Parts: sequence; C-alpha cells; structure tokens
Amino acid sequence: AIRMTQSPSSFSASTGDRVTITCRASQGISSYLAWYQQKPGKAPKLLIYAASTLQSGVPSRFSGSGSGTDFTLTISCLQSEDFATYYCQQYYSYRLTFGGGTKVEIK
Amino acid sequence: QLQLQESGPGLVKPSETLSLTCTVSGGSISSSSYYWGWIRQPPGKGLEWIGSIYYSGSTYYNPSLKSRVTISVDTSKNQFSLKLSSVTAADTAVYYCASLFRSLGIAAAGFFDYWGQGTLVTVSS
Repeated sequence: AIRMTQSPSSFSASTGDRVTITCRASQGISSYLAWYQQKPGKAPKLLIYAASTLQSGVPSRFSGSGSGTDFTLTISCLQSEDFATYYCQQYYSYRLTFGGGTKVEIK
Repeated sequence: QLQLQESGPGLVKPSETLSLTCTVSGGSISSSSYYWGWIRQPPGKGLEWIGSIYYSGSTYYNPSLKSRVTISVDTSKNQFSLKLSSVTAADTAVYYCASLFRSLGIAAAGFFDYWGQGTLVTVSS
C-alpha cells in the first residue's frame, strides 16, 4: 500500500498567518492527491483534488501544489474557521490511503 | 447535490457482525461517475478506507480488513451496505459512507466529494 506521511502532525498559528502543510507519498502518485478539512465531530470536507484543483465553494485562500511524491496545502491567510485537522489522500491506487492528519491549533 | 446518511446499530458485541447501511439521495447510485465508499475513524485517530463498491456490484477492499468485510449495493433502494464480521474493540470507530468521484483511468480510485455525517459504532459486551 502507498503510505502517506504528513508533517507536521500539529502546530499552532494565528489568524492572518500563511501556513503550509506537507504530505509525502511513499511512491510516485502523479497528481492523484486530495486534501480534506475536518472539524471536531464533523465529517471531512473535500478542499482540493488533483493536487491543485479547488473544490467548488472552497475559499481561494486554500491552494495545493506538488506532484510525484511531495505535496503541499497552503492557507494564505488563516481565518478562525480554518482551525481544524487536515488530511491528504492518494488515489493513484484503488487501495486508497490517507495521511495521518495535521491539526492546526490557535496560538 | 448528493446527500448520504448512515444507519445501523450503535453498539455491537465482540465477535458479532457490524452492519451499516448508507442511503443516497439527490442523485442515483447507478451513476457512472461514482463509486461508493466506507471510511472509518477510531476515536481521536485518523481516517481509514474500508472499501468501495460500484453500482454494478464490483467491490474493492482494504487488504487489512478484506477477510472480514462485505460491501453490497441495492440500486432499487439507492443504498449500499457494510458488513464487518468478528468485531473487536479495535473496530470501535465513527463509520462514514461517502461518494467516491471516479478518477479517469484508474479503476475504483478517486476522491470523496460527499460524506455522510458519520455514525459511532462501539464494540462492547
């Protein structure tokens, strides 16, 4: 199975900050990568697919980049509603796998 | 816009079979654009894909759970279901159903664009 490793696992930030989360695949996955946001007690929400395509309705402060094995999710100006846990997911293989998650906390 | 809703018992005894159903509304489960998936999340932990199914009945399972998992589809009811046998406390989790938007060119692969609200299943005697 393709292993997805996210870093950091958690960090603190302030509103207005630019934040970057990294996701690394154990093998090349082209651009078959999605990012999700999950808030406590809620289902994950799709933010980005195909590594950099913003899902409809997602604010433009979210962006994704990368291909192959290394990917990033960037929030350009952190808002209060962005404090959550973020997951990456590869779909290069039907054996879908998620990263371990990155929790963004309020500083 | 698709809506998905999980239903089933919230408490299952060890060694028994967990059974959940997902009802899809706002679209047809027979859509060629979608697979349908189950994902779980143990309390305080990350997401784990359990398996996926196409409306034709083709199934794809996580190898780590394959021996215990059965996913089926009922197109007449716009539903798909999960059965997980021989459960233990390690199977305690929030179980989500979700629509898996097909990635062209890779069978059964894609990203989850709509999710159910999730249902907590506790395995305990």
